Amino acid sequence: EVQLLESGGGLVQPGGSLRLSCAASGFTFVDYAMSWARQAPGKGLEWVSAISSGGHSTFYADSVKGRFTISRDNSENIVFLHMTGLTAGDTAVYYCVKEGPSTHYYFDLWGRGTLVTVSS
Amino acid sequence: DIQMTQSPSTLSASVGDRVTITCRASESLLSWLAWYQQKPGKAPNLLIYKASTLQSGVPSRFSGSGSGTEFTLTISSLQADDSATYYCQQYYSSSRTFGQGTKVEI
Repeated sequence: EVQLLESGGGLVQPGGSLRLSCAASGFTFVDYAMSWARQAPGKGLEWVSAISSGGHSTFYADSVKGRFTISRDNSENIVFLHMTGLTAGDTAVYYCVKEGPSTHYYFDLWGRGTLVTVSS
Repeated sequence: DIQMTQSPSTLSASVGDRVTITCRASESLLSWLAWYQQKPGKAPNLLIYKASTLQSGVPSRFSGSGSGTEFTLTISSLQADDSATYYCQQYYSSSRTFGQGTKVEI
């Protein structure tokens, strides 16, 4: 089955860190770029970060640049999002997404999401 | 970053109506635009990519058009199951960005 399964969300204090993981299955993981997107409670979608298929290129939204790091392990079919310096504004459901083929950076497969809550 | 603006923010329509949602970009995207449907409590679902290409499995009542800075998503005959929030997303730049969403109420 083609799927993405996120894990690692939870409650963290302001200023804290968290690492999200996303396990991919059912497709040739190494062939596709991957992204993380998020959605704050009751709000719209926000793209967070992307990583190229080989892992050599990474991209970040201005809102997380310098605080979040995306990485991937193509031997294990996992993509990570390491988040530091968390604030209440980072509270959201975080989705792992598979991007389209080649340079088509649309999101054709979404995980179910993992909730990150930043609160004291 | 490229800014995406959707209109309207909310629309109410009846089953069988033809519905159109507009997405405008702050600079040309060529045709690098996608549309998603999101139902409450669920992850978004890809409807259309490259402005007008229907994703496999998506009903043919959904269609997309446009290029450059102005794009539209049309539902030709609204069904009860189409009640959802719809988002456009540009992927012309490496900073993929979404529109703010359009909630469709039936």
